Amino acid sequence: DAKTTQPPSMDCAEGRAANLPCNHSTISGNEYVYWYRQIHSQGPQYIIHGLKNNETNEMASLIITEDRKSSTLILPHATLRDTAVYYCIVRVNTGTASKLTFGTGTRLQVTL
Amino acid sequence: DTAVSQTPKYLVTQMGNDKSIKCEQNLGHDTMYWYKQDSKKFLKIMFSYNNKELIINETVPNRFSPKSPDKAHLNLHINSLELGDSAVYFCASSPRGQRNTEAFFGQGTRLTVV
Repeated sequence: DAKTTQPPSMDCAEGRAANLPCNHSTISGNEYVYWYRQIHSQGPQYIIHGLKNNETNEMASLIITEDRKSSTLILPHATLRDTAVYYCIVRVNTGTASKLTFGTGTRLQVTL
Repeated sequence: DTAVSQTPKYLVTQMGNDKSIKCEQNLGHDTMYWYKQDSKKFLKIMFSYNNKELIINETVPNRFSPKSPDKAHLNLHINSLELGDSAVYFCASSPRGQRNTEAFFGQGTRLTVV
């Protein structure tokens, strides 16, 4: 299983872009990078995923380096409701089902 | 229109009791999971079922027994509860075993064993 490394915490001013880094230097060629977040007292929520190319959806953008050893999740205009723990996950496939292996994540605090 | 719903949301019980947590998903997914989040906030998979068949069992004590009566339900029964079982348990579902699809999580069941 490819492991990920994230900073334990980050702060971001409301309205600014939040850039959350993740290292996954042992990722395999067919493994995807996923991002989930967990707002306090709620279940994890899917944000975005990618393989090689950069991806964007209504929530965020995902930038993956060319060597795929690291990625950055970008929340373009952070709001207070984006305060959460953000998990960078490399998807493990165990045959007919695949599991999410959560690390310790990055606690993002968005402030006024 | 809750996609993945768990009941109860809170459960307080004494050591040695047997309890169940129910999970239902209305997304038509084939795969369902149970995850455990302990007091240190580590979130770990316990079980995965694919169309009522057990696929993943992550070295969970056999006091924990998942039951899937149909692919929309995955219940978790816990026998002889111990203090260390206190945690938040999350149910999740995803479309069948595809690597690049998202998982939907329930809101969690906070189990407290006293």
